[in-house]
Amino acid sequence: KAGVTQTPRYLIKTRGQQVTLSCSPISGHRSVSWYQQTPGQGLQFLFEYFSETQRNKGNFPGRFSGRQFSNSRSEMNVSTLELGDSALYLCASSNSGAPQETQYFGPGTRLLVL
Amino acid sequence: QKEVEQNSGPLSVPEGAIASLNCTYSDRVSQSFFWYRQYSGKSPELIMSIYSNGDKEDGRFTAQLNKASQYVSLLIRDSQPSDSATYLCAVNVNSGGYQKVTFGIGTKLQVIP
Repeated sequence: KAGVTQTPRYLIKTRGQQVTLSCSPISGHRSVSWYQQTPGQGLQFLFEYFSETQRNKGNFPGRFSGRQFSNSRSEMNVSTLELGDSALYLCASSNSGAPQETQYFGPGTRLLVL
Repeated sequence: QKEVEQNSGPLSVPEGAIASLNCTYSDRVSQSFFWYRQYSGKSPELIMSIYSNGDKEDGRFTAQLNKASQYVSLLIRDSQPSDSATYLCAVNVNSGGYQKVTFGIGTKLQVIP
């Protein structure tokens, strides 16, 4: 099975712009979670989607949003970018998102905001 | 208090020694516990999962869980330079029947040849 894929792998944006990141889960996986990773804060949970519905959300401002399509692919959008949004954005997929399930991570999208 | 706490390290151990990585968590109802390894510039990959009190062994890795003390650890026996990475403790809380995973900051392990 192919693993989780994320596009693009690298992005450079300027403050005030918006960005859309894409994640394709492992075939058959219906749960997709998004995380932000920075050196100071570590991995922080953004949100989780299942069957095109957001089920859980972390403590991020409304500038961070996401969606999931019928084929389980997911996108996240960050509007009005700030310097502090520079981070590695990881998505992870699992079968159903049950608490005991393993999540499989994609390679990440590294975002640099100038 | 952070939900999942780890010492960021670095933890340095000589090759062949036992590396002991520790993690505490704050939510008593946490159900699932995971250890991920993350090499520099790469994404996290699962090493071990543990759900019940006690020890779980897989090759050179042993995970230990003590729910009463809200403590989970990872032991790496016969440490190798290839084990040098950041180890992330993750705790999965049942949030409305679905998972919400909280990660620790990660402990950087350095195995010295």
